Amino acid sequence: EIVLTQSPATLSLSPGERATLSCRASQSVSSYLAWYQQKPGQAPRLLIFDASNRATGIPARFSGSGSGTDFTLTISSLEPEDFAVYYCQQRSNWPITFGQGTRLEIK
Amino acid sequence: EVQLLESGGGLVQPGGSLRLSCAASGFSLRSFAMSWVRQAPGKGLEWVSVISSSGGSPQYADSVKGRFTISRDSSTNTLYLQMNSLRGEDTAVYYCAKAYCSAGSCYSVFDYWGQGTLVTVSS
Repeated sequence: EIVLTQSPATLSLSPGERATLSCRASQSVSSYLAWYQQKPGQAPRLLIFDASNRATGIPARFSGSGSGTDFTLTISSLEPEDFAVYYCQQRSNWPITFGQGTRLEIK
Repeated sequence: EVQLLESGGGLVQPGGSLRLSCAASGFSLRSFAMSWVRQAPGKGLEWVSVISSSGGSPQYADSVKGRFTISRDSSTNTLYLQMNSLRGEDTAVYYCAKAYCSAGSCYSVFDYWGQGTLVTVSS
């Protein structure tokens, strides 16, 4: 099973700042890495698939990069609605696995 | 409009069984792979099972293999998860989720999710 490790566990930033979230895989997942946003009491929302492709309707301030084992989700300028928990997910190998999440909180 | 509506959760004793349902609307289950993903209280996401668009090739997480069975009814456009031999560690919100497809390709990532149904395994 591929283990995804996200860092940091918690990120404290202010609106307007740039956020950089990391996801490291225990073995190569090629570019088969996705990112989700989850707000309290809600289902996750797909942001990025295959490392760098924005899902339908996702604002351009969200971008993804990386390949192999190291990936980054960048939010260029934080909006108030961006404060949430973010998960990465790999689809390279069964079983599908998720990272443990990064909580993005308002500073 | 795509909608997914789970039901069937509740309180069950260890060793018991439950069947979760996910009523899909706005698309056909025959056209998309579907998964169940769970989230224990205050914890992260755990993928549980997938069924292909053809209705075959089910896959399961090791933690549920041999105890859970995914299936679907195309006539009612409903996805199911039969859960047997339930354990305390199965306590979670269970989401059904639709595979994302774009430009003729489909991916094992999830663009639509239901609101979730809570399963609590406790005596």
